[in-house]
Amino acid sequence: SAVISQKPSRDICQRGTSLTIQCQVDSQVTMMFWYRQQPGQSLTLIATANQGSEATYESGFVIDKFPISRPNLTFSTLTVSNMSPEDSSIYLCSVEPSGRNIQYFGAGTRLSVL
Amino acid sequence: AQTVTQSQPEMSVQEAETVTLSCTYDTSESNYYLFWYKQPPSRQMILVIRQEAYKQQNATENRFSVNFQKAAKSFSLKISDSQLGDTAMYFCASQHQGGSEKLVFGKGTKLTVNP
Repeated sequence: SAVISQKPSRDICQRGTSLTIQCQVDSQVTMMFWYRQQPGQSLTLIATANQGSEATYESGFVIDKFPISRPNLTFSTLTVSNMSPEDSSIYLCSVEPSGRNIQYFGAGTRLSVL
Repeated sequence: AQTVTQSQPEMSVQEAETVTLSCTYDTSESNYYLFWYKQPPSRQMILVIRQEAYKQQNATENRFSVNFQKAAKSFSLKISDSQLGDTAMYFCASQHQGGSEKLVFGKGTKLTVNP
């Protein structure tokens, strides 16, 4: 398996501000994934982050709103920009170690926007 | 496109009894994986069990087993000898085979195990 550290675990933010969420893995992985879980809902993929290239965004998610960095094989950040109350969600990162075909998740960041 | 449907928003079971959670899926791919994840109140997503679509044998992990019906596109999870710690949201998910593909999740089933 993989051990994933995600920070912060929770935050309360003001409308119009931005928050950067960090995801650190204990081993090198090619792909990292960022998911959003809106209150009482399931998980939806925001984007896939491949080291050394631009992140690939799912329909309905754009880079200006959710910029992602992937500077190396063990770390990624997701920024939620110009936040509104609709951005209140749990944001989770996941990784899939090579050859495993299993995704392991961080503990998530619970974001509340006032 | 992939879709995953969980038709039971909530279920409850008595401790030590058996419960089955339902999941149906749709995909145009012939090679794919199916998963059950558990999300307790701590919100950590925990893998419960995985099934490879090309394998006919149903996957088992201790008290957890699946009933995989490929033709019917059905993938149910059976929890035997339910324990209080099994109380959680359970999500069914599918993934196309190919490496590092996204997971597509169902809406989840909230399972409560009663003492």
